[in-house]
Amino acid sequence: GAVVSQHPSWVICKSGTSVKIECRSLDFQATTMFWYRQFPKQSLMLMATSNEGSKATYEQGVEKDKFLINHASLTLSTLTVTSAHPEDSSFYICSARGTAIYYGYTFGSGTRLTVV
Amino acid sequence: AQTVTQSQPEMSVQEAETVTLSCTYDTSESDYYLFWYKQPPSRQMILVIRQEAYKQQNATENRFSVNFQKAAKSFSLKISDSQLGDAAMYFCAYRSAKGGGYRASGTYKYIFGTGTRLKVLA
Repeated sequence: GAVVSQHPSWVICKSGTSVKIECRSLDFQATTMFWYRQFPKQSLMLMATSNEGSKATYEQGVEKDKFLINHASLTLSTLTVTSAHPEDSSFYICSARGTAIYYGYTFGSGTRLTVV
Repeated sequence: AQTVTQSQPEMSVQEAETVTLSCTYDTSESDYYLFWYKQPPSRQMILVIRQEAYKQQNATENRFSVNFQKAAKSFSLKISDSQLGDAAMYFCAYRSAKGGGYRASGTYKYIFGTGTRLKVLA
Protein backbone atom coordinates (compact mmCIF):
# COMPACT_ATOMS: atom_id res chain seq x y z
CA GLY A 1 0.00 0.00 0.00
CA ALA A 2 0.87 3.67 -0.21
CA VAL A 3 3.44 4.80 2.35
CA VAL A 4 4.47 8.25 3.46
CA SER A 5 7.69 8.50 5.42
CA GLN A 6 7.90 11.48 7.76
CA HIS A 7 11.11 12.58 9.48
CA PRO A 8 12.11 13.32 12.08
CA SER A 9 9.64 11.61 14.37
CA TRP A 10 10.60 13.96 17.16
CA VAL A 11 12.84 16.97 17.47
CA ILE A 12 13.87 19.38 20.21
CA CYS A 13 15.22 22.74 19.18
CA LYS A 14 16.20 25.98 20.80
CA SER A 15 14.00 29.02 20.57
CA GLY A 16 14.89 31.14 17.56
CA THR A 17 16.20 28.31 15.42
CA SER A 18 14.55 26.71 12.40
CA VAL A 19 13.43 23.14 12.01
CA LYS A 20 12.70 21.23 8.82
CA ILE A 21 10.26 18.34 8.62
CA GLU A 22 10.27 16.07 5.59
CA CYS A 23 7.56 13.91 4.11
CA ARG A 24 8.37 11.47 1.33
CA SER A 25 5.95 9.33 -0.59
CA LEU A 26 7.77 6.04 -1.04
CA ASP A 27 5.75 4.17 -3.61
CA PHE A 28 3.52 6.71 -5.27
CA GLN A 29 3.62 10.24 -6.60
CA ALA A 30 2.15 12.77 -4.21
CA THR A 31 0.53 15.47 -6.30
CA THR A 32 -0.82 17.18 -3.22
CA MET A 33 0.47 17.31 0.33
CA PHE A 34 -1.53 18.49 3.30
CA TRP A 35 0.16 19.68 6.47
CA TYR A 36 -1.61 19.49 9.81
CA ARG A 37 -0.95 20.53 13.32
CA GLN A 38 -2.43 18.66 16.25
CA PHE A 39 -2.56 19.77 19.85
CA PRO A 40 -2.94 17.19 22.63
CA LYS A 41 -6.35 15.55 22.70
CA GLN A 42 -7.56 17.68 19.81
CA SER A 43 -8.36 17.13 16.19
CA LEU A 44 -6.10 17.78 13.24
CA MET A 45 -5.92 21.37 12.15
CA LEU A 46 -5.08 21.90 8.49
CA MET A 47 -2.27 24.39 8.09
CA ALA A 48 -1.70 24.37 4.35
CA THR A 49 -2.14 22.50 1.10
CA SER A 50 0.64 22.25 -1.43
CA ASN A 51 0.64 21.01 -4.99
CA GLU A 52 3.84 19.84 -6.59
CA GLY A 53 5.61 22.74 -8.23
CA SER A 54 3.23 25.38 -6.92
CA LYS A 55 3.07 27.70 -3.97
CA ALA A 56 1.27 26.37 -0.94
CA THR A 57 -2.19 27.54 -0.01
CA TYR A 58 -2.34 28.44 3.66
CA GLU A 59 -5.38 28.28 5.88
CA GLN A 60 -6.59 31.42 7.51
CA GLY A 61 -4.55 32.37 10.53
CA VAL A 62 -1.46 30.37 9.56
CA GLU A 63 1.65 32.50 9.14
CA LYS A 64 3.20 31.87 5.74
CA ASP A 65 6.57 33.27 6.74
CA LYS A 66 6.79 31.12 9.83
CA PHE A 67 5.69 27.84 8.27
CA LEU A 68 7.47 27.50 4.96
CA ILE A 69 6.27 24.69 2.75
CA ASN A 70 8.13 23.38 -0.25
CA HIS A 71 6.80 20.74 -2.60
CA ALA A 72 9.44 20.68 -5.28
CA SER A 73 8.96 17.12 -6.42
CA LEU A 74 6.25 14.50 -6.60
CA THR A 75 7.83 12.51 -3.80
CA LEU A 76 9.02 15.14 -1.34
CA SER A 77 7.43 17.94 0.61
CA THR A 78 8.98 19.84 3.48
CA LEU A 79 7.68 22.04 6.26
CA THR A 80 10.15 24.45 7.83
CA VAL A 81 9.26 26.11 11.09
CA THR A 82 11.31 29.29 11.09
CA SER A 83 12.43 31.14 14.20
CA ALA A 84 10.65 28.60 16.33
CA HIS A 85 9.20 29.60 19.69
CA PRO A 86 7.78 27.49 22.52
CA GLU A 87 4.24 28.12 21.29
CA ASP A 88 5.15 26.31 18.05
CA SER A 89 5.64 23.12 20.04
CA SER A 90 3.12 20.67 18.69
CA PHE A 91 2.59 17.50 16.69
CA TYR A 92 2.84 18.00 12.93
CA ILE A 93 1.45 15.50 10.43
CA CYS A 94 1.58 15.37 6.66
CA SER A 95 -0.88 13.65 4.37
CA ALA A 96 -0.41 12.89 0.70
CA ARG A 97 -2.78 12.55 -2.23
CA GLY A 98 -1.61 10.59 -5.26
CA THR A 99 -2.27 10.95 -8.96
CA ALA A 100 -4.61 7.99 -9.00
CA ILE A 101 -8.15 8.33 -7.76
CA TYR A 102 -7.52 7.43 -4.15
CA TYR A 103 -10.41 7.51 -1.83
CA GLY A 104 -8.26 8.04 1.20
CA TYR A 105 -5.07 9.93 1.68
CA THR A 106 -1.95 8.48 3.25
CA PHE A 107 -0.67 10.03 6.45
CA GLY A 108 2.87 10.28 7.68
CA SER A 109 3.66 9.11 11.18
CA GLY A 110 3.97 12.63 12.53
CA THR A 111 6.67 14.79 14.08
CA ARG A 112 6.63 15.92 17.67
CA LEU A 113 8.32 19.32 17.88
CA THR A 114 9.43 20.72 21.22
CA VAL A 115 10.90 24.21 21.31
CA VAL A 116 12.85 25.06 24.45
CA ALA B 1 -18.92 25.41 4.26
CA GLN B 2 -18.94 21.81 5.31
CA THR B 3 -18.84 20.79 8.96
CA VAL B 4 -18.38 17.48 10.74
CA THR B 5 -19.66 16.89 14.25
CA GLN B 6 -18.76 14.11 16.64
CA SER B 7 -20.88 14.58 19.72
CA GLN B 8 -19.27 11.86 21.84
CA PRO B 9 -15.91 13.00 23.26
CA GLU B 10 -15.40 9.62 24.90
CA MET B 11 -16.92 6.16 24.74
CA SER B 12 -16.24 2.92 26.57
CA VAL B 13 -16.95 -0.63 25.52
CA GLN B 14 -16.38 -3.97 27.09
CA GLU B 15 -14.07 -6.30 25.23
CA ALA B 16 -15.98 -8.48 22.73
CA GLU B 17 -18.98 -6.15 22.83
CA THR B 18 -20.26 -3.80 20.14
CA VAL B 19 -20.01 -0.02 20.15
CA THR B 20 -21.29 2.67 17.81
CA LEU B 21 -19.59 6.01 17.30
CA SER B 22 -21.67 8.86 15.96
CA CYS B 23 -20.86 11.38 13.28
CA THR B 24 -23.04 13.94 11.58
CA TYR B 25 -22.07 16.35 8.86
CA ASP B 26 -23.44 19.26 6.98
CA THR B 27 -22.97 19.91 3.29
CA SER B 28 -24.82 21.19 0.30
CA GLU B 29 -22.91 18.90 -2.04
CA SER B 30 -24.32 15.68 -3.38
CA ASP B 31 -21.08 13.95 -4.24
CA TYR B 32 -18.52 13.38 -1.51
CA TYR B 33 -16.63 10.81 0.51
CA LEU B 34 -16.79 10.01 4.20
CA PHE B 35 -14.10 8.34 6.23
CA TRP B 36 -13.36 7.02 9.66
CA TYR B 37 -9.77 7.24 10.81
CA LYS B 38 -8.25 5.68 13.88
CA GLN B 39 -5.41 7.33 15.78
CA PRO B 40 -3.86 5.01 18.38
CA PRO B 41 -1.37 6.23 21.01
CA SER B 42 1.38 6.09 18.37
CA ARG B 43 -0.58 8.94 16.68
CA GLN B 44 -0.34 7.31 13.27
CA MET B 45 -3.56 8.01 11.37
CA ILE B 46 -5.02 4.76 10.08
CA LEU B 47 -7.90 4.55 7.62
CA VAL B 48 -10.61 2.34 9.07
CA ILE B 49 -13.36 2.59 6.50
CA ARG B 50 -14.62 4.83 3.71
CA GLN B 51 -17.97 5.46 2.09
CA GLU B 52 -18.81 7.03 -1.25
CA ALA B 53 -21.90 9.17 -0.99
CA TYR B 54 -23.35 7.85 -4.23
CA LYS B 55 -23.38 4.31 -2.89
CA GLN B 56 -26.46 3.33 -0.95
CA GLN B 57 -24.87 0.21 0.43
CA ASN B 58 -23.14 0.66 3.76
CA ALA B 59 -19.42 -0.03 3.73
CA THR B 60 -18.05 -2.92 5.76
CA GLU B 61 -14.49 -3.88 6.66
CA ASN B 62 -14.33 -7.00 8.81
CA ARG B 63 -15.50 -5.94 12.29
CA PHE B 64 -16.10 -2.36 11.22
CA SER B 65 -19.23 -1.20 9.47
CA VAL B 66 -20.99 2.08 8.92
CA ASN B 67 -24.57 3.23 8.96
CA PHE B 68 -24.71 5.87 6.27
CA GLN B 69 -27.90 7.90 6.20
CA LYS B 70 -27.45 10.44 3.42
CA ALA B 71 -30.71 12.28 3.93
CA ALA B 72 -30.05 12.63 7.63
CA LYS B 73 -26.37 13.40 6.99
CA SER B 74 -25.32 10.80 9.46
CA PHE B 75 -22.35 8.44 9.29
CA SER B 76 -21.91 6.24 12.34
CA LEU B 77 -19.25 3.60 12.86
CA LYS B 78 -20.06 0.26 14.44
CA ILE B 79 -17.27 -1.81 15.89
CA SER B 80 -18.23 -5.42 16.57
CA ASP B 81 -16.38 -7.83 18.84
CA SER B 82 -14.31 -4.98 20.27
CA GLN B 83 -10.68 -5.74 20.95
CA LEU B 84 -8.15 -4.06 23.21
CA GLY B 85 -6.30 -2.90 20.12
CA ASP B 86 -9.33 -0.89 19.06
CA ALA B 87 -8.68 1.61 21.83
CA ALA B 88 -7.82 4.88 20.11
CA MET B 89 -9.11 8.25 19.00
CA TYR B 90 -11.53 7.94 16.11
CA PHE B 91 -12.01 10.78 13.68
CA CYS B 92 -14.81 11.13 11.19
CA ALA B 93 -13.84 13.02 8.03
CA TYR B 94 -15.58 14.50 5.01
CA ARG B 95 -14.05 15.15 1.64
CA SER B 96 -15.63 16.71 -1.39
CA ALA B 97 -15.63 14.74 -4.64
CA LYS B 98 -16.25 17.83 -6.71
CA GLY B 99 -14.07 18.42 -9.72
CA GLY B 100 -11.27 16.17 -10.77
CA GLY B 101 -8.08 16.09 -12.67
CA TYR B 102 -4.46 16.11 -11.80
CA ARG B 103 -4.20 19.24 -9.75
CA ALA B 104 -5.96 19.10 -6.45
CA SER B 105 -7.10 22.20 -4.72
CA GLY B 106 -8.44 23.03 -1.32
CA THR B 107 -11.62 21.38 -2.47
CA TYR B 108 -10.00 18.07 -1.74
CA LYS B 109 -9.07 18.74 1.83
CA TYR B 110 -10.49 16.71 4.65
CA ILE B 111 -12.89 18.21 7.12
CA PHE B 112 -12.33 16.40 10.39
CA GLY B 113 -14.59 16.02 13.37
CA THR B 114 -13.30 16.65 16.87
CA GLY B 115 -12.82 12.96 17.56
CA THR B 116 -14.11 10.32 19.94
CA ARG B 117 -11.81 8.59 22.36
CA LEU B 118 -12.69 4.92 22.58
CA LYS B 119 -11.71 2.94 25.64
CA VAL B 120 -11.92 -0.84 25.58
CA LEU B 121 -12.36 -2.48 28.94
CA ALA B 122 -10.91 -5.92 29.57
